[in-house]
Amino acid sequence: GIQVEQSPPDLILQEGANSTLRCNFSDSVNNLQWFHQNPWGQLINLFYIPSGTKQNGRLSATTVATERYSLLYISSSQTTDSGVYFCAVEQGGSEKLVFGKGTKLTVNP
Amino acid sequence: GAVVSQHPSRVICKSGTSVKIECRSLDFQATTMFWYRQFPKKSLMLMATSNEGSKATYEQGVEKDKFLINHASLTLSTLTVTSAHPEDSSFYICSASPPGGSYEQYFGPGTRLTVT
Repeated sequence: GIQVEQSPPDLILQEGANSTLRCNFSDSVNNLQWFHQNPWGQLINLFYIPSGTKQNGRLSATTVATERYSLLYISSSQTTDSGVYFCAVEQGGSEKLVFGKGTKLTVNP
Repeated sequence: GAVVSQHPSRVICKSGTSVKIECRSLDFQATTMFWYRQFPKKSLMLMATSNEGSKATYEQGVEKDKFLINHASLTLSTLTVTSAHPEDSSFYICSASPPGGSYEQYFGPGTRLTVT
């Protein structure tokens, strides 16, 4: 099956810093989503981005489907950005999502 | 965005008992819902696909007789953990995709199950 690798596994930032999270996948995909899992376990949809670039406030994402990677940019990080960021992909029209192992982000005040 | 709810948010049960978890799509109809399991500090793993009006399809290694799934309506899927054991303790999360073709998945808040 498809492999999804996220890097780095852990990231510690000071408030106000910028960061880039990466997601590599091993095959072509129909769907790619970025999620933020908050401390209570809720997965919050950040981006649905099988290709191209999107921006939402301080967050933006880029997927280069031909090179099989996606990047999530967080600018001017805040303590509330802390949590685990997951990349998940779907291939073949099955709607089944395969998750990476996540990047745990800690933003210190 | 679409809203998916789960109930209960957390449950504690004794070994040998069964526990039912509900997943509801609140503002859309979902012919398909998905159930995931997440161990502490780990990623989400798909357990099964819940299909409205037909049998669920289970991922390899998931015991269908232990994790019973019923998708009785277009807005409700239930996961029943039968004869629960401590190793079934986990965080269970459901998801669904609103109709319209984009396949963007929305997740419920999860249910934390502890089996004592």
